[in-house]
Amino acid sequence: SQTIHQWPATLVQPVGSPLSLECTVEGTSNPNLYWYRQAAGRGLQLLFYSVGIGQISSEVPQNLSASRPQDRQFILSSKKLLLSDSGFYLCAWSSGDTIYFGEGSWLTVV
Amino acid sequence: GENVEQHPSTLSVQEGDSAVIKCTYSDSASNYFPWYKQELGKRPQLIIDIRSNVGEKKDQRIAVTLNKTAKHFSLHITETQPEDSAVYFCAASISHNYGQNFVFGPGTRLSVLP
Repeated sequence: SQTIHQWPATLVQPVGSPLSLECTVEGTSNPNLYWYRQAAGRGLQLLFYSVGIGQISSEVPQNLSASRPQDRQFILSSKKLLLSDSGFYLCAWSSGDTIYFGEGSWLTVV
Repeated sequence: GENVEQHPSTLSVQEGDSAVIKCTYSDSASNYFPWYKQELGKRPQLIIDIRSNVGEKKDQRIAVTLNKTAKHFSLHITETQPEDSAVYFCAASISHNYGQNFVFGPGTRLSVLP
C-alpha cells in the first residue's frame, strides 16, 4: 500500500531563517506531488505541484520554492522566512483520481 | 480556471439530525469530486468521492449527490454524532496531460451538539 511521510511535524523558526520541509511517498511510482498551505482556520492553498522529477509548477508567487530531486521526494524550501509564512503545510500525492495528504508540518515563524 | 464554492461556512446541528453541505463548480470538464474531513490539527482525510458518470453514492451514514447539469454536488450526513464535528472540504478535479488539478472549496465547519 502507498504511504506518505512528511517531516518535521512541528518547527518554530525566526524571521529571516531558512526552511526545508521534506516529503516522501512509498508504494507508488511517478506520482503527482503537491504542497499546500493552510493558515489557521482557513482553507487549502495550493503552493506547488509536480508531475515528474525536476518539473515544478508554482501556483502562488512568494518566497517559497519547491524541488523534486527524486521521483518520490518533494521538498519545500525558503531562504528567508516571513511572519506570514506561518501555517500548516501539507504534502500530498495522487496517481489517479484521488489525492492523499501527509500528516502535515506546523510552522510558526517568530 | 476552476472555481469551487462551498456553503455554508459553518453549520451546527443537534446530534441525530442530518447535515447537508453544498458545493458548486465552474468547469464542466471536472470529472471527479472528493470530500475530505479534517479534524482539528490533523490532515484532511478522504471520506467519500464521486465520479462524473454517477449521480449518487452512499457509504453508511454519508452520501454524496452530483448534478452535472447544474454543476453542483452535495454531502449528506445522516444521524450525526459528536465525532462528525470537523471541517469538511469539497474538491473538483480535472485530469490534464500535464497532471491532475484539484481545486478545493473553502471548507465547512460542522459542529454536532450533544
